[in-house]
Amino acid sequence: DARVTQTPRHKVTEMGQEVTMRCQPILGHNTVFWYRQTMMQGLELLAYFRNRAPLDDSGMPKDRFSAEMPDATLATLKIQPSEPRDSAVYFCASGLVVTGGSGNTIYFGEGSWLTVV
Amino acid sequence: SQQGEEDPQALSIQEGENATMNCSYKTSINNLQWYRQNSGRGLVHLILIRSNEREKHSGRLRVTLDTSKKSSSLLITASRAADTASYFCATNEDTGRRALTFGSGTRLQVQP
Repeated sequence: DARVTQTPRHKVTEMGQEVTMRCQPILGHNTVFWYRQTMMQGLELLAYFRNRAPLDDSGMPKDRFSAEMPDATLATLKIQPSEPRDSAVYFCASGLVVTGGSGNTIYFGEGSWLTVV
Repeated sequence: SQQGEEDPQALSIQEGENATMNCSYKTSINNLQWYRQNSGRGLVHLILIRSNEREKHSGRLRVTLDTSKKSSSLLITASRAADTASYFCATNEDTGRRALTFGSGTRLQVQP
């Protein structure tokens, strides 16, 4: 049963610390998304990659956030330094996007629940 | 910013009743999708409706799309306690951008 795997599931860290979240997309998917979910803002797109290349990271605070795909089986989202306002659930999702296609379903991981104190 | 806005924000019904959730969006779209999120879990895809479709069914789910009004509805018939979850609409904009934009969600509580 293919699924998107995220680690860690839960993380509590102190303000100023570096946080790295990892995601293993579904094998064969060419697009990886990072979303953040909070009660106030709902689901926000932070960044996404196609064939490991970043396509859009306009939703991500550039001064402290960075997203990479070192290889096709790993996507990372790093926050340095972390702040209390970064507390949220961070979701990774992957999908197979076909050029010229009119629909794409994406599959979410279970999320990384981050608390910055 | 949120492309889709769901209405109502919260809905409580009895088992066996139908639940209807509505979604409005702002831009031209390729398709609209509905996702479900159980408490503490990730989102799960339910159904996709393309911009040239008006209605689609999947089991107890019925989705309608009115592109002239930029709105969609999700109907869950004969609801069950296990349907308790948050439901989100998501739009795939007709701009070549392949990332989904999610609405604010409807929290559905089905009382046994």
